[in-house]
Amino acid sequence: DTGVSQDPRHKITKRGQNVTFRCDPISEHNRLYWYRQTLGQGPEFLTYFQNEAQLEKSRLLSDRFSAERPKGSFSTLEIQRTEQGDSAMYLCASSSGTGFTLHFGNGTRLTVT
Amino acid sequence: TQLLEQSPQFLSIQEGENLTVYCNSSSVFSSLQWYRQEPGEGPVLLVTVVTGGEVKKLKRLTFQFGDARKDSSLHITAAQPGDTGLYLCAGAGSSGSRLTFGEGTQLTVNP
Repeated sequence: DTGVSQDPRHKITKRGQNVTFRCDPISEHNRLYWYRQTLGQGPEFLTYFQNEAQLEKSRLLSDRFSAERPKGSFSTLEIQRTEQGDSAMYLCASSSGTGFTLHFGNGTRLTVT
Repeated sequence: TQLLEQSPQFLSIQEGENLTVYCNSSSVFSSLQWYRQEPGEGPVLLVTVVTGGEVKKLKRLTFQFGDARKDSSLHITAAQPGDTGLYLCAGAGSSGSRLTFGEGTQLTVNP
């Protein structure tokens, strides 16, 4: 069990640029979640996959955000035309679907300048 | 929208003191979890409570789920500097598709 891994750990980008983050879940987990967390706050739900199907998206997820999980394994989260308000920690988590324990990665910290 | 409110938001205490963190909601949750998060890392699960009135103990930590499954508390006995971190409660609704997190309690235990 190598845990949930996220890449990159840190990303600094200029406003207006596009960024893409990758998440590799625990291999046998069929559920994958994206959360966003700002400093000192709890994680906010963004979206959720079961296998390759995106089953739920938060209203927080504007049209500039898109997530994919093409083969039901790794997932990508893309933010287009980044804004300073997008600066946050983006957390990925996976679970087995039996029970509700989320295993989180260490996140990608995005800074938009 | 299911909301979870945690209190206090910040807590700074001396080593050896006891403390309680509260997590309250107007919504009923099918289960409630507590996570601990350290800087630069993702949250790590401490406990899951499922039954109203349930009490679980994990060494010096005691977790309680309210009878109505709307609230929970975390009590730490004889706090240690290693307990320092962000404590998050998270509730699962009846659909079980996502966890809703509280805003967290930032605990600092001073030696």
